[in-house]
Amino acid sequence: DQQVKQNSPSLSVQEGRISILNCDYTNSMFDYFLWYKKYPAEGPTFLISISSIKDKNEDGRFTVFLNKSAKHLSLHIVPSQPGDSAVYFCAASPRDSGAGSYQLTFGKGTKLSVIP
Amino acid sequence: EPEVTQTPSHQVTQMGQEVILRCVPISNHLYFYWYRQILGQKVEFLVSFYNNEISEKSEIFDDQFSVERPDGSNFTLKIRSTKLEDSAMYFCASSAAGEQYFGPGTRLTVT
Repeated sequence: DQQVKQNSPSLSVQEGRISILNCDYTNSMFDYFLWYKKYPAEGPTFLISISSIKDKNEDGRFTVFLNKSAKHLSLHIVPSQPGDSAVYFCAASPRDSGAGSYQLTFGKGTKLSVIP
Repeated sequence: EPEVTQTPSHQVTQMGQEVILRCVPISNHLYFYWYRQILGQKVEFLVSFYNNEISEKSEIFDDQFSVERPDGSNFTLKIRSTKLEDSAMYFCASSAAGEQYFGPGTRLTVT
């Protein structure tokens, strides 16, 4: 039951270039999407989110794009830095961020390696 | 910067024993969660908690599991009789109205 799919288990990018991480979902009820970064032996760290009423959200070097018709979102990191090397998880919820309590469904993650 | 804390970082227990995993959510957050990640698998939702009661729970969260907010700061997950398959990283999270913030996790090893 893969409602949230990250089809690339790993990605290598040169420092200074753009990293693009992709995520697909199947559940039409999902309307709130988040990206988390995770280092080994640590918990997921929140990066950026997007609600289904938007198609883009930007925060510094991180931009998330949402294509609802394709049920696809992507995280762009520009420019990529060696400290960005981590596992990135896409997560989705059927509730908008203003609805209080909600459960997240996670993808399997993509391991990003930024090469100096 | 406020953060979610969890204790212990690693817990080893024998099959059939009870364990309690502890979490201190961010102080002004109202919504609390437990997730787990079995090695090599996805992070999975277990339970959400608000206003001293369970809001939602997954199929994983059966009668062996319980949650409690025993005081104004702690949030606990109890597994009554651990099984080998309960071995996993357990993450606590909390939220205000938006994104969830995760703790560093407790690695539970059941032998």
